[in-house]
Amino acid sequence: GQNIDQPTEMTATEGAIVQINCTYQTSGFNGLFWYQQHAGEAPTFLSYNVLDGLEEKGRFSSFLSRSKGYSYLLLKELQMKDSASYLCAVRGTGFQKLVFGTGTRLLVSP
Amino acid sequence: DVKVTQSSRYLVKRTGEKVFLECVQDMDHENMFWYRQDPGLGLRLIYFSYDVKMKEKGDIPEGYSVSREKKERFSLILESASTNQTSMYLCATGPGGGTNEQFFGPGTRLTVL
Repeated sequence: GQNIDQPTEMTATEGAIVQINCTYQTSGFNGLFWYQQHAGEAPTFLSYNVLDGLEEKGRFSSFLSRSKGYSYLLLKELQMKDSASYLCAVRGTGFQKLVFGTGTRLLVSP
Repeated sequence: DVKVTQSSRYLVKRTGEKVFLECVQDMDHENMFWYRQDPGLGLRLIYFSYDVKMKEKGDIPEGYSVSREKKERFSLILESASTNQTSMYLCATGPGGGTNEQFFGPGTRLTVL
């Protein structure tokens, strides 16, 4: 079977750092994606990891450990506009389809 | 920039009606996908297509069909809409190589009464 777990909701303060975890059990592995989705809008691509380690992109970083079936998204210098849902998705074997987690709703307060 | 458009943002239909949701992309992507998104369940794949006239079932294809007659257009069809198909429907596209990230359309919120 395929299972992706992430916390339902997290809260943080403006200017702080937050880490959103994602654990997965899937049939094969060909990459992990993080998407951001603001309320009422479409998901937008944030990051992609296929090898172990940290990928940094500005204020956002994503980490992957394939042996542990674990990833996290790290958001630094939080801003109010970072309040959104963050979706973890895994591409298994087979074709290009992704399996999504249920998303983590992040609330950033002043 | 990739542009993915969907035919309607909001749609209200009655039980038993045939419903067409259309998705158009302008980036010549091979792959196109239809998802539904429900609270607590996340994004679930209904159908996808990797070429014109090709289609594959996703995780929840029951009650849906699709059509891809042209590369840029992927249609989702509800043959006989039911209330449990009330949901947000999202179309996505992606290239055939590289990271294969998916680009999403704005979504259609469908209500079936």
